[in-house]
Amino acid sequence: AQKITQTQPGMFVQEKEAVTLDCTYDTSDPSYGLFWYKQPSSGEMIFLIYQGSYDQQNATEGRYSLNFQKARKSANLVISASQLGDSAMYFCAMRDQGLVGFQKLVFGTGTRLLVSP
Amino acid sequence: EAQVTQNPRYLITVTGKKLTVTCSQNMNHEYMSWYRQDPGLGLRQIYYSMNVEVTDKGDVPEGYKVSRKEKRNFPLILESPSPNQTSLYFCASRASLSTDTQYFGPGTRLTVL
Repeated sequence: AQKITQTQPGMFVQEKEAVTLDCTYDTSDPSYGLFWYKQPSSGEMIFLIYQGSYDQQNATEGRYSLNFQKARKSANLVISASQLGDSAMYFCAMRDQGLVGFQKLVFGTGTRLLVSP
Repeated sequence: EAQVTQNPRYLITVTGKKLTVTCSQNMNHEYMSWYRQDPGLGLRQIYYSMNVEVTDKGDVPEGYKVSRKEKRNFPLILESPSPNQTSLYFCASRASLSTDTQYFGPGTRLTVL
């Protein structure tokens, strides 16, 4: 079964600094996708970034980049130049293709990031 | 505006009283799903639907039902709610199997007394 592990319950970072949120995954399927979502205190889930298992390059979206290390099964999120508005819960998730047409999204337990002035 | 809407946003009910949480998307997406979020457990998939009249169980389907009679709507039904179904519920949709980004609704916070 697929599994996502986020070992950092909470992280602190100072404004303008970079921070890395850890995510490791476990799957036996060769085709999968990895996501990061942000959940601010208001509760909504905001899609940040996606990495496919066959993508050659690490995904980037503005200040967000995904450090994808396939052999180590890790997909860490790097936020550069942190802002106060980055304070939120962050979830790593994996989509597994499985059998044809089977779509399943598995989430980690999340990391709460607090950005201080 | 492209969005996923859920209603109600907040609901307090009592054990055994049937309820429905509605979910609607205006993006003509084929794939929709329901998740519940509990502290320390992240989000877990309850049910998903590949298209109209095609639904299947996720990780935690017990105590829930869904239907997909129209492409835009995917209601979550709790026939006899119990306190262990107190949770934050999210509906999500995605355009197709080849599209990876899932769009989430704003969430429904349900309390079952």
